Amino acid sequence: DAKTTQPNSMESNEEEPVHLPCNHSTISGTDYIHWYRQLPSQGPEYVIHGLTSNVNNRMASLAIAEDRKSSTLILHRATLRDAAVYYCILNMNRDDKIIFGKGTRLHILP
Amino acid sequence: SQTIHQWPATLVQPVGSPLSLECTVEGTSNPNLYWYRQAAGRGLQLLFYSVGIGQISSEVPQNLSASRPQDRQFILSSKKLLLSDSGFYLCAWSEFGVANYGYTFGSGTRLTVV
Repeated sequence: DAKTTQPNSMESNEEEPVHLPCNHSTISGTDYIHWYRQLPSQGPEYVIHGLTSNVNNRMASLAIAEDRKSSTLILHRATLRDAAVYYCILNMNRDDKIIFGKGTRLHILP
Repeated sequence: SQTIHQWPATLVQPVGSPLSLECTVEGTSNPNLYWYRQAAGRGLQLLFYSVGIGQISSEVPQNLSASRPQDRQFILSSKKLLLSDSGFYLCAWSEFGVANYGYTFGSGTRLTVV
């Protein structure tokens, strides 16, 4: 399985941008990059995904490196409600399952 | 719109008792269905997934089993619970495989085996 590497935890101040990095050096050409987040005592929720180009939605932006070996999830203005575990996952097109790593626990400081 | 229902929300069961957790999806057909478990303070572990009725793939050998008796129903069972079965159980579904579509998770069942 293609693997991802994320920092265990990060801190950010409220109302500031947050950049969450993810390395995926063994990504294959057809793997999509997905991001999910898990709030306390809840199931994960989808945040964003992309293949090659940068992506924006109402929740976040996804910046994908040109060689696709890394990506960054950008929260433009963090709020206390963004405190969660963020998972970066490679979706292997040849398989029907995705495996979650340990993710990054994001702490937001008021 | 599609919705996923998972119940019960919390469950306390004695060691050695049976288990049945149910998950149903509405608003879609032939979804891929998944069971995950999250032990306290740990990551998400994929237990089972199903791409169709009666088709179950097991990811981790254990005393749990899964069944898909109907297209949009996924059941997680155990004949005899162990203390180590405690955790947060999550059902999820996806459409048309996963590559270009995300997962939608249920609200989870917190199981405590005592």
